[in-house]
Amino acid sequence: QKEVEQDPGPLSVPEGAIVSLNCTYSNSAFQYFMWYRQYSRKGPELLMYTYSSGNKEDGRFTAQVDKSSKYISLFIRDSQPSDSATYLCAAYSGGYQKVTFGTGTKLQVIP
Amino acid sequence: GAVVSQHPSWVICKSGTSVKIECRSLDFQATTMFWYRQFPKQSLMLMATSNEGSKATYEQGVEKDKFLINHASLTLSTLTVTSAHPEDSSFYICSAYLGQDTGELFFGEGSRLTVL
Repeated sequence: QKEVEQDPGPLSVPEGAIVSLNCTYSNSAFQYFMWYRQYSRKGPELLMYTYSSGNKEDGRFTAQVDKSSKYISLFIRDSQPSDSATYLCAAYSGGYQKVTFGTGTKLQVIP
Repeated sequence: GAVVSQHPSWVICKSGTSVKIECRSLDFQATTMFWYRQFPKQSLMLMATSNEGSKATYEQGVEKDKFLINHASLTLSTLTVTSAHPEDSSFYICSAYLGQDTGELFFGEGSRLTVL
């Protein structure tokens, strides 16, 4: 079992829809959770960063972490064609330990 | 946010030659950097952890003699692909933590290597 599981998609939604991206993880030591957006042929861009359980909102993006169920979510409101990218969830236990990534979900927002 | 810069962003080389990729943290010091490899339509594969002033830690299956990593300063790590072959063609990406005990890991723009 991978430490971070993510549905690879692809996920296709119409413009304006609410997008829900999800990951599960198995390592109870993970304390930090991130979402990255990666456009084709570019390095990943840090979108959201959350410590422990809870919600974090930034504009149209909301990240949720439920440590009791080991579930990570990213919601995108009013999705735009420019949101079309691959979204990677990631988790990490702290210190300078390596980050564990999900496989990424490819999202396409159709105009 | 913090900036991590990679150079070159794109390189083509002949089989048998060596290629060096630089990774710089532009506005912060990075004692630890990570090098990833990414194949088309696949996720990131961690190759090695680069530690300033000490030897890199390689992941299982990564040839340390082929992928030489040097982290000579707090703002620069280099990856040298030695005696490159076509199968080494890939997208190489570096990353660095903004600070200790933070999950804010920032990535460079990536370097696309094509070996002819």
